[in-house]
Amino acid sequence: NAGVMQNPRHLVRRRGQEARLRCSPMKGHSHVYWYRQLPEEGLKFMVYLQKENIIDESGMPKERFSAEFPKEGPSILRIQQVVRGDSAAYFCASSQTDSNEKLFFGSGTQLSVL
Amino acid sequence: GESVGLHLPTLSVQEGDNSIINCAYSNSASDYFIWYKQESGKGPQFIIDIRSNMDKRQGQRVTVLLNKTVKHLSLQIAATQPGDSAVYFCAENLQGAQKLVFGQGTRLTINP
Repeated sequence: NAGVMQNPRHLVRRRGQEARLRCSPMKGHSHVYWYRQLPEEGLKFMVYLQKENIIDESGMPKERFSAEFPKEGPSILRIQQVVRGDSAAYFCASSQTDSNEKLFFGSGTQLSVL
Repeated sequence: GESVGLHLPTLSVQEGDNSIINCAYSNSASDYFIWYKQESGKGPQFIIDIRSNMDKRQGQRVTVLLNKTVKHLSLQIAATQPGDSAVYFCAENLQGAQKLVFGQGTRLTINP
């Protein structure tokens, strides 16, 4: 968890609201990955981004979900019109290269949809 | 479905004993494997990794074994300590892909 910062740690939203999850990668890292984890399950890949580019979004739902990693600032995972099924822990990881070797994960954002 | 799975969802061991956590994978194109430790309320923490051109790799108190013939991966923890209590995940990386496929996880509990 060294250096990957996610906020907020906990986010509560009502159905239909928007959720914005932020991830600041480790210093010097330009590759960011988002994963989702349901209780008692492993992490599921959502999206892989480099600065200003989405490289692989094959794990992200086609509707309501979007991600960005602007030139300046943190990576944002945005969920519009949240539903109860979106409740999960969302983890961000970063790396210095496009390799999955030794990804560093943040502490996650726990999203609860009421 | 997932190509990475675990044989046992929970494992209890006596403090001081060795722990062995198993993982099965189904994709022969995977060329890189990682074990992560996840404590409650935290993100996954890298433990050890291994490439497909190796069958064994050792770290501090941990050893990963890879059997490509039967597509099996294991994590051995020597002299298990209370601080080892966590959920352990194996993950695989398909050659050329930029995403990890995680297994379900095994919860390791330590009995005093």
